Amino acid sequence: EDQVTQSPEALRLQEGESSSLNCSYTVSGLRGLFWYRQDPGKGPEFLFTLYSAGEEKEKERLKATLTKKESFLHITAPKPEDSATYLCAVRHSNDYKLSFGAGTTVTVRA
Amino acid sequence: GAVVSQHPSRVICKSGTSVKIECRSLDFQATTMFWYRQFPKQSLMLMATSNEGSKATYEQGVEKDKFLINHASLTLSTLTVTSAHPEDSSFYICSARFKPGLAGGGETQYFGPGTRLLVL
Repeated sequence: EDQVTQSPEALRLQEGESSSLNCSYTVSGLRGLFWYRQDPGKGPEFLFTLYSAGEEKEKERLKATLTKKESFLHITAPKPEDSATYLCAVRHSNDYKLSFGAGTTVTVRA
Repeated sequence: GAVVSQHPSRVICKSGTSVKIECRSLDFQATTMFWYRQFPKQSLMLMATSNEGSKATYEQGVEKDKFLINHASLTLSTLTVTSAHPEDSSFYICSARFKPGLAGGGETQYFGPGTRLLVL
């Protein structure tokens, strides 16, 4: 059974304090690992898709990396507007369904 | 691009009534739409997969007679919660993926803003 585990559950950062979020997964035949950002009371917003180990994607202060067992979302010099829950999801091998992790809630204080 | 809308954004209804939620892809054709529910401080749980012109596929444990899904066109899917009860109160979110063959499409699910359902 596919499993997606995110850590830590919550992360409190000072503005400018860089950190990383972890997403470890076990899935037969990874067809894509997805990162989303979700603000309270809203739907998830797509950030990145990673397909193979060694791949990296960047967007503003966010950088996602992928290994064979886990993915990291690095937040460099975060700002308060980066506060959100970050969700990791993996695509199953034979269909387009996604299995989501529980998320990491990031709070950035000014 | 890749905008998905939902209507209504929130709804309050009495126990026993039915509620319909619409999910629309505004600027692309969606081959597949997905319906999720999310409880407070929990992650998204897939309820069903909806393909245009065919019956929805429900996840294990989801009652298909209670959660009716219709995918009438490549831009519209609806979820009807029939005979709603307080335990159906939740945040319902839809997502859509591009029709294969379009540039940048196929793999990624784009999510709507969600519908908050409260059943009294």
